[in-house]
Amino acid sequence: DAGITQSPRHKVTETGTPVTLRCHQTENHRYMYWYRQDPGHGLRLIHYSYGVKDTDKGEVSDGYSVSRSKTEDFLLTLESATSSQTSVYFCAISESPTYNEQFFGPGTRLTVL
Amino acid sequence: QKEVEQDPGPLSVPEGAIVSLNCTYSNSAFQYFMWYRQYSRKGPELLMYTYSSGNKEDGRFTAQVDKSSKYISLFIRDSQPSDSATYLCAMRDQTGANNLFFGTGTRLTVIP
Repeated sequence: DAGITQSPRHKVTETGTPVTLRCHQTENHRYMYWYRQDPGHGLRLIHYSYGVKDTDKGEVSDGYSVSRSKTEDFLLTLESATSSQTSVYFCAISESPTYNEQFFGPGTRLTVL
Repeated sequence: QKEVEQDPGPLSVPEGAIVSLNCTYSNSAFQYFMWYRQYSRKGPELLMYTYSSGNKEDGRFTAQVDKSSKYISLFIRDSQPSDSATYLCAMRDQTGANNLFFGTGTRLTVIP
């Protein structure tokens, strides 16, 4: 998975609790992305980062926040988890937004009860 | 209407068959077209990408883009059991990967 790790790999939590997912890369790529993957919807972009402390919203950003204090780490936070946020979350990295290959991490399976 | 439509399958074929996977799209601004393969419980990995219209071949895989019909295809020749996976199409316009749209994926099983 091109030097990308995600933690935790699995998490079960309750509605209303905060959750933070971590993406860590060893490739030194500038661009990092958080997606969620749901049946019938495919992969949808939540937030992305184009550098340390530089982030922007994607298609489905409501209820999520992100932070990037170091090149190698990109955190996704659900401030107050809801059942609609049950999903598989993937982190991806790329050298450039116009570079056609994104490298994906192994995913985090999140269940919100 | 979704930006990208992809038949979810599942598709089951015998080993050695030719497989055709397809996506349609609505945004005429899309210029870059990609196919990702995703094995069960793994992240997607890029198989091929093409720019604008035309064909591109890589081993047993051929990608085709018909922009006039807003239709893209991935052909797999001499399919192998190791090709069993979900195939995702993805596409974007000139602005970059922050506007990358994925299909829902087609699940393929190649039976030995």
